[in-house]
Amino acid sequence: GAGVSQSPSNKVTEKGKDVELRCDPISGHTALYWYRQSLGQGLEFLIYFQGNSAPDKSGLPSDRFSAERTGGSVSTLTIQRTQQEDSAVYLCASSLVDSGWYEQYFGPGTRLTVT
Amino acid sequence: AQSVTQLGSHVSVSEGALVLLRCNYSSSVPPYLFWYVQYPNQGLQLLLKYTTGATLVKGINGFEAEFKKSETSFHLTKPSAHMSDAAEYFCAVRLEGYSSASKIIFGSGTRLSIRP
Repeated sequence: GAGVSQSPSNKVTEKGKDVELRCDPISGHTALYWYRQSLGQGLEFLIYFQGNSAPDKSGLPSDRFSAERTGGSVSTLTIQRTQQEDSAVYLCASSLVDSGWYEQYFGPGTRLTVT
Repeated sequence: AQSVTQLGSHVSVSEGALVLLRCNYSSSVPPYLFWYVQYPNQGLQLLLKYTTGATLVKGINGFEAEFKKSETSFHLTKPSAHMSDAAEYFCAVRLEGYSSASKIIFGSGTRLSIRP
């Protein structure tokens, strides 16, 4: 595909369950970013990957959140023991290289609802 | 610490009217500034960015923004609104001293509505 894709587009889960969110970046993009967008708030940076490495995990809100990237391509964000405050839209973006000079291309997001 | 503030969470204008979305930032050095647009059920898309050079920046879809250092502002404008401009707009600033895009911080967004 031409753009960043994310799956699922919507996820409803019960409190305490684990969820996995997937991101497929644009082919050839070495940098990949995860953000969280809560209602009425801006984007909150979670983590980014350069290749398969995650140089900056500073935005992960708790140890229930983890992410990995394999083959320099697909990334999975995992939230364990979900809480209601985890409800948000999770956005993934990719960039040719990690630099503010290069545009980030965003996926449509995964809307997570924790009941 | 650097931050970005968008004045007005919701702006409504008539079709054909001027669009003005306000953004102020705090930074001790000239920042890199961005405007992104998010259409319903879509990801963010870069509208325009200021890095160095000309302070009036032109973007896609007829939007432009002017970097005013004295006012620490980077307001987004469009002379004549179109129905297709209805979306959420985010102002963003890159933290000084960092080259990584992960150090771009986003404002809380302004939802633009267009009245027929």
